[in-house]
Amino acid sequence: QSVLTQPPSVSAAPGQKVTISCSGSSSNIGNNYVSWYQQLPGTAPKLLIYDNDKRPSGIPDRFSGSKSGTSATLGITGLQTGDEADYYCETWDSSLSGGVFGGGTKVTVL
Amino acid sequence: QVQLVESGGGVVQPGGSLRLSCAVSGFTFSTYGFHWVRQAPAKGLEWVAYIHFDGSAKYYADSVKGRFTISRDNYNNTLYLQMNSLKPEDTAIYYCARGGGYRYLEYWGQGTLVTVSS
Repeated sequence: QSVLTQPPSVSAAPGQKVTISCSGSSSNIGNNYVSWYQQLPGTAPKLLIYDNDKRPSGIPDRFSGSKSGTSATLGITGLQTGDEADYYCETWDSSLSGGVFGGGTKVTVL
Repeated sequence: QVQLVESGGGVVQPGGSLRLSCAVSGFTFSTYGFHWVRQAPAKGLEWVAYIHFDGSAKYYADSVKGRFTISRDNYNNTLYLQMNSLKPEDTAIYYCARGGGYRYLEYWGQGTLVTVSS
């Protein structure tokens, strides 16, 4: 049972938009920055969004992040087949004094 | 370019020990904190441990506290994870990652597989 809650899967047609939610509490998302990671099949995770809404260099602006209260959201627009992957949210939990990940969301392009 | 390369994985019996290494290059090792993250077969990511840039603070997941120790060698640009009293549920791919402080995991290695089985 993950500390952060994500939907197990989302799907949409090519070119469409998907959003992935990440729900937590005041001890984690409510008072810390959120980051998002993409894990393509058989590869290591890759940073997509950090500090709630910032993109590292090289990450297209089709990917966006936001945070409100104790929830965060990853948005992917202009969906491509290459976006099929598992996506994870992560933040620091001040009560646990450690990092916590969401359970992951599988994105399927129909 | 930034590179992190894990090594030291393998098969170990329950109750045994293993030390993982993460060799880094392409940046100044001593100015960054580092994380260990693991992923059990067909499961999600689990944060394991974090160490500050100078080793002054270390944090652990409850599932490994008291059994695992994170450390670093700033002269040899290497991060370590000493794993003792291993259990079958510790079976996973272990990744090291450079931290943006403790706020995010900026660069990841390719991972090393640890299998705990008799």
